[in-house]
Amino acid sequence: SQTIHQWPATLVQPVGSPLSLECTVEGTSNPNLYWYRQAAGRGLQLLFYSVGIGQISSEVPQNLSASRPQDRQFILSSKKLLLSDSGFYLCAWSIGPGLDTEAFFGQGTRLTVV
Amino acid sequence: GENVEQHPSTLSVQEGDSAVIKCTYSDSASNYFPWYKQELGKRPQLIIDIRSNVGEKKDQRIAVTLNKTAKHFSLHITETQPEDSAVYFCAASRGGTYKYIFGTGTRLKVLA
Repeated sequence: SQTIHQWPATLVQPVGSPLSLECTVEGTSNPNLYWYRQAAGRGLQLLFYSVGIGQISSEVPQNLSASRPQDRQFILSSKKLLLSDSGFYLCAWSIGPGLDTEAFFGQGTRLTVV
Repeated sequence: GENVEQHPSTLSVQEGDSAVIKCTYSDSASNYFPWYKQELGKRPQLIIDIRSNVGEKKDQRIAVTLNKTAKHFSLHITETQPEDSAVYFCAASRGGTYKYIFGTGTRLKVLA
């Protein structure tokens, strides 16, 4: 069966520090991968998605970046965190290519920038 | 760009009553509409989905309806129970893009 791992679960970082969140998927090949951010009391904002190795689509201009160095690995990074980067970050995957189907979410990372 | 509007943002119902959450999407090419339930501090999980070639789908106490002409879709929960309390998100996806655009969520409270 397929599983998705996301870490760390919680993170407190000072303003201006770098960020690296990692997500890996097991049990499937060539998944579509996603990074979402959920600010307190708000919806799920799509940040990046990837349909293949090295293919990254950015949805929202910001100081974050994403990379997909391996088929089932998706990394969210920042060189310098801002206070506004605080939130709940969720990695997700779906079966690709083909019909749009269910997206499966990781456990999430709660990031607090202080 | 693509947008999904969701209403209401909060909804309180008495246990046993029905709850309805409505969403409107902007991209007429959207063809897949999932609904997710997120309990406090947990990941969103799919509860039901519908494709554009279907007008209604039901799974026990949960049903979803789709009006493609109006670009509306709705979640209906009947005989609500306290464990239905959570945040519900609708989403829309355009075929071939594999990109899910979510609504802003509805916090449902079922009062015992």
